[in-house]
Amino acid sequence: EPEVTQTPSHQVTQMGQEVILRCVPISNHLYFYWYRQILGQKVEFLVSFYNNEISEKSEIFDDQFSVERPDGSNFTLKIRSTKLEDSAMYFCASRGLAPYEQYFGPGTRLTVT
Amino acid sequence: DQQVKQNSPSLSVQEGRISILNCDYTNSMFDYFLWYKKYPAEGPTFLISISSIKDKNEDGRFTVFLNKSAKHLSLHIVPSQPGDSAVYFCAASGGNSGGSNYKLTFGKGTLLTVNP
Repeated sequence: EPEVTQTPSHQVTQMGQEVILRCVPISNHLYFYWYRQILGQKVEFLVSFYNNEISEKSEIFDDQFSVERPDGSNFTLKIRSTKLEDSAMYFCASRGLAPYEQYFGPGTRLTVT
Repeated sequence: DQQVKQNSPSLSVQEGRISILNCDYTNSMFDYFLWYKKYPAEGPTFLISISSIKDKNEDGRFTVFLNKSAKHLSLHIVPSQPGDSAVYFCAASGGNSGGSNYKLTFGKGTLLTVNP
C-alpha cells in the first residue's frame, strides 16, 4: 500500500541552525501539506502546497519557514534559523483528488537545543 | 483557538464493548469531518469521515454520527478490540469555496485504551 515517508525520523539541532525536513508523498498525489505537533498539544496546520506554489499558510509559517518540491518526488520543509519553540513533531501529508482525505507520514521529531 | 474540541483526554473500555469518542466544533464553515487514529511513533492514519450533508457514516466496526445543530460528532467503535488502543483525533475542514487547500483543523485527541 502506498505511503508517505519522512526523513529523518529524529533531528537534533542547535538553536540558530538551519534544518531541512524531507518527505516523499504518495506518488500520484498532487496536494501536499506540513503540520506540526508540539508535545502535549494539538496537530497544527503549517502550509499547503499545490502546483509548485503555496496555496495557504498559517500564522506559524513565518519567514523562517519555506517549502519546496525540488524534484518529482520530494517535498521539503526548511527552517532557516531554528528556535527552541520549533521543537515539535513535524508531519508531512499528501492527498489525491479526494478533497479532504489526507495521508500522513510517520513524522520527524525535531529537537532544538 | 479551539475550533475543534475533544474534551475527554482519555477513555478506557472493555474489549467487546462500545467505545464512544466525542468531538465538538465551533466553526460553522466546517463541512467535512474526519477521524484519524494515531499509534506512538507513527503518523495519523485516516479512519473514517463524514460530510455535513449526512448525519451518519458507517464502515465496519466504525460509525461516525454528526449533529450539525449541536456542532457535535461522535465516533462509535463496536465491538472494541485491544488493537484499537490508540489516540483518536477529530479533524474538520471547510469553507474552502472550491479552493485547493482543504487544510485540516485538529482536536487535541483522545487516548482510547481497550482492556482485554
